[in-house]
Amino acid sequence: KQEVTQIPAALSVPEGENLVLNCSFTDSAIYNLQWFRQDPGKGLTSLLLIQSSQREQTSGRLNASLDKSSGRSTLYIAASQPGDSATYLCAVLIYNQGGKLIFGQGTELSVKP
Amino acid sequence: GAVVSQHPSRVICKSGTSVKIECRSLDFQATTMFWYRQFPKQSLMLMATSNEGSKATYEQGVEKDKFLINHASLTLSTLTVTSAHPEDSSFYICSASGTGRAGELFFGEGSRLTVL
Repeated sequence: KQEVTQIPAALSVPEGENLVLNCSFTDSAIYNLQWFRQDPGKGLTSLLLIQSSQREQTSGRLNASLDKSSGRSTLYIAASQPGDSATYLCAVLIYNQGGKLIFGQGTELSVKP
Repeated sequence: GAVVSQHPSRVICKSGTSVKIECRSLDFQATTMFWYRQFPKQSLMLMATSNEGSKATYEQGVEKDKFLINHASLTLSTLTVTSAHPEDSSFYICSASGTGRAGELFFGEGSRLTVL
């Protein structure tokens, strides 16, 4: 059974810091891995999607890496801003199971001005 | 990107009543939609997979008679919580796969259900 774990559960940093969020999964048979942002009481916003054949994706200040063999992904946020404060969720799409996403518990990020 | 809309965003109901939540893909056709449930400070748990024109596939532990799912068209899936109880209070989110990158899912804004 696929399990997704995110560390840390919560993180508080001063504005301007670079930071790394970690995600690990137990079964490497994934189709892709996605990072999402969730603001309180809101739905999910897709940040980055890494296909299983890829090693990283970048979008602006965000960079996500994928090491499928070790079951790990990281989300790197450069020069953090207070507007980055949110919960960040990683999720893996199980291979050949019709689009089932298995989510981690999320990392709650707070960026202090 | 593709847009998925949920309605209502918030609903309060009395115990014993039924509540319907709609999930629409606004600018694409979605043969498959997914319904998730999220408790406070917890992650999303997949409840069921909704396929257009056929019965939904429910995850283990999810009561199909309580959470009725209908996917009558390629742009609309509905989740009806029947005979709601306070423990059904939760945040319900739907998602749909679009026509872009393979395996990319788009999420609705979620619906907050409070059962009194």
